[in-house]
Amino acid sequence: DQQVKQNSPSLSVQEGRISILNCDYTNSMFDYFLWYKKYPAEGPTFLISISSIKDKNEDGRFTVFLNKSAKHLSLHIVPSQPGDSAVYFCAACEGYGNKLVFGAGTILRVKS
Amino acid sequence: GAGVSQSPSNKVTEKGKDVELRCDPISGHTALYWYRQSLGQGLEFLIYFQGNSAPDKSGLPSDRFSAERTGGSVSTLTIQRTQQEDSAVYLCASSSRETQYFGPGTRLLVL
Repeated sequence: DQQVKQNSPSLSVQEGRISILNCDYTNSMFDYFLWYKKYPAEGPTFLISISSIKDKNEDGRFTVFLNKSAKHLSLHIVPSQPGDSAVYFCAACEGYGNKLVFGAGTILRVKS
Repeated sequence: GAGVSQSPSNKVTEKGKDVELRCDPISGHTALYWYRQSLGQGLEFLIYFQGNSAPDKSGLPSDRFSAERTGGSVSTLTIQRTQQEDSAVYLCASSSRETQYFGPGTRLLVL
C-alpha cells in the first residue's frame, strides 16, 4: 500500500523553463511534507518542506504547493537549470521528526 | 559544519556472513534514522532513535536486522546471516527538529 505516490517516473524540461513535479498521498494524518534531491551515488539532499497548516512555501527557485483537500503537493523549479537534473523524492510524515514515507521518485532531466 | 557520515561507503560480503554499518550523525542531533534503498525501489524506513526513548523498530524486515545507538550519538546497524535480498544502499539520517539530513549511504552487495 503506497501511501506516497509519484506517478511520473521521469520528466524532461528545457533549461530556463519551469519544472513541475507532482506527489499524491493517501494518509490524511500526514502533516509535514518534504522534497529531497538525489544524485547518483550520493545520499538525498533536503530541498524544501511544508507544514500542513500552509499551502505554499518558497525558497529561491523552489516552491512547494500543498492542496490538502486533494492530498496533493507539487514542487515547482523556476527557472530550471541543467544542474537540477537528478532524482526528486517526495516524503511525508505524521508529526515532526517522525519516520518519513517516501515516494518512488521522479527523474528530472533539464536539457540545455 | 560536518554532515552525517557513514562507513564503510561500500561493502561486499558473502551470503551468510554478518555485517556492521556505522553512522555518525550531525553533532547535537537527537534523532537518528536508518533507511534502505533497494535497486529500482524507493527509500524504505528501517528504524528510528529519538533521545532516550525506546527505538521505533517497525520497519526492520526480519530479526536478522538490529541497530543500536551508543551514548546518543553513533549508531550501528547489524545484519546477521546476510542474504542476497539484503543488497541495497543503507542510508542514515539525523535531525534536531523536523528536517532529516542524510548521509552518503553504504552500498551493500551480498554475493
